[in-house]
Amino acid sequence: DQQVKQNSPSLSVQEGRISILNCDYTNSMFDYFLWYKKYPAEGPTFLISISSIKDKNEDGRFTVFLNKSAKHLSLHIVPSQPGDSAVYFCAAKPPFAGNMLTFGGGTRLMVKP
Amino acid sequence: KAGVTQTPRYLIKTRGQQVTLSCSPISGHRSVSWYQQTPGQGLQFLFEYFSETQRNKGNFPGRFSGRQFSNSRSEMNVSTLELGDSALYLCASSLHYGDTIYEQYFGPGTRLTVT
Repeated sequence: DQQVKQNSPSLSVQEGRISILNCDYTNSMFDYFLWYKKYPAEGPTFLISISSIKDKNEDGRFTVFLNKSAKHLSLHIVPSQPGDSAVYFCAAKPPFAGNMLTFGGGTRLMVKP
Repeated sequence: KAGVTQTPRYLIKTRGQQVTLSCSPISGHRSVSWYQQTPGQGLQFLFEYFSETQRNKGNFPGRFSGRQFSNSRSEMNVSTLELGDSALYLCASSLHYGDTIYEQYFGPGTRLTVT
């Protein structure tokens, strides 16, 4: 039972354009959502998070949107850069669960120069 | 500040053997979590330790166990290895454990191959 799903295994975008990565979840108890980026041979790196009481959070070129009614979140990267090419994971955490995260399967983003 | 370190980085074991993986968190971090990454199941939470106590456990059999020492370093052990245990094992450290979210910093992982 996959509680967090990333339905697009890969995404290709031109440099300078917007990258939109999507994530769906089924557990309505999740209260924090996070995005991680992963390069080969490295551990995931935290990008941005959002609490369930918000619907948008921005950090530089990265914006995360949360639609609780649709149980959907998305990560927007504007403008996309070749260095953004990596695998992106969304993750979610229920309340009273410390740092226990449930991850999606990941989306490989390729930004072409 | 040094990041999360994991040893060894690569390991080959035979079915039925047991293995111990080590994780040193970032200095000052007190919470350590372990994850298993496989192509089929993705990243799955194994367990989290804080103050030498297991706080959360994922849906893994009892062959998977762990512990945390007083200096926050952690080890995980897998007994009676199976082929399906072949995976990248990631350790993540964070400053504290609590209801709010604390940023987790991941190590590079230990690649375990079971033959």
